[in-house]
Amino acid sequence: QKEVEQNSGPLSVPEGAIASLNCTYSDRGSQSFFWYRQYSGKSPELIMSIYSNGDKEDGRFTAQLNKASQYVSLLIRDSQPSDSATYLCAVWLIGGYQKVTFGTGTKLQVIP
Amino acid sequence: ETGVTQSPTHLIKTRGQQVTLRCSSQSGHNTVSWYQQALGQGPQFIFQYYREEENGRGNFPPRFSGLQFPNYSSELNVNALELDDSALYLCASSLGTGGSYEQYFGPGTRLTVT
Repeated sequence: QKEVEQNSGPLSVPEGAIASLNCTYSDRGSQSFFWYRQYSGKSPELIMSIYSNGDKEDGRFTAQLNKASQYVSLLIRDSQPSDSATYLCAVWLIGGYQKVTFGTGTKLQVIP
Repeated sequence: ETGVTQSPTHLIKTRGQQVTLRCSSQSGHNTVSWYQQALGQGPQFIFQYYREEENGRGNFPPRFSGLQFPNYSSELNVNALELDDSALYLCASSLGTGGSYEQYFGPGTRLTVT
């Protein structure tokens, strides 16, 4: 089982719709969760961080965390073509040495 | 506030050669982590430096080594380059080493090994 799993996509949504990106993780002791956006050929850009169960909203983005289900998601409201990118889920795993582990990313395509 | 910078942007090396990549951390950040990102994959953790000491290492062989300097800038050195080392190398800086500290990435160095 991979430490951090994401559906590779592509996930296609029409402009203006809600895009829902999902991520599961294996280490039940994980406490810190991050979403990054990565445009093709560019480096990852931090969108959201979330540390406790529930929702965290920032503009059009909402991160949701459910530690019991080991599940974290990112909702993008009013999706725009400029949101088309790969979204990386990252988890800080407590076991062993400290490190942030990334999923392979979900490619999002927003269709005008 | 100055963001994370990396040099060079692109690099082409021959198998067996050695390479040094450089990173300047964001102003005020004392921790630098290095990642390797192959095409279509997520970034893979190489190692982290905090106060000039290696603070954690991923599953990479010893030919991957690093340094951190008193001004918190860092270098990644790779010896005996292999074709599979071709990737985007990312540096990320943060205010500290714990999981509550957000990491911010530089633009990356694209390394091609032929």
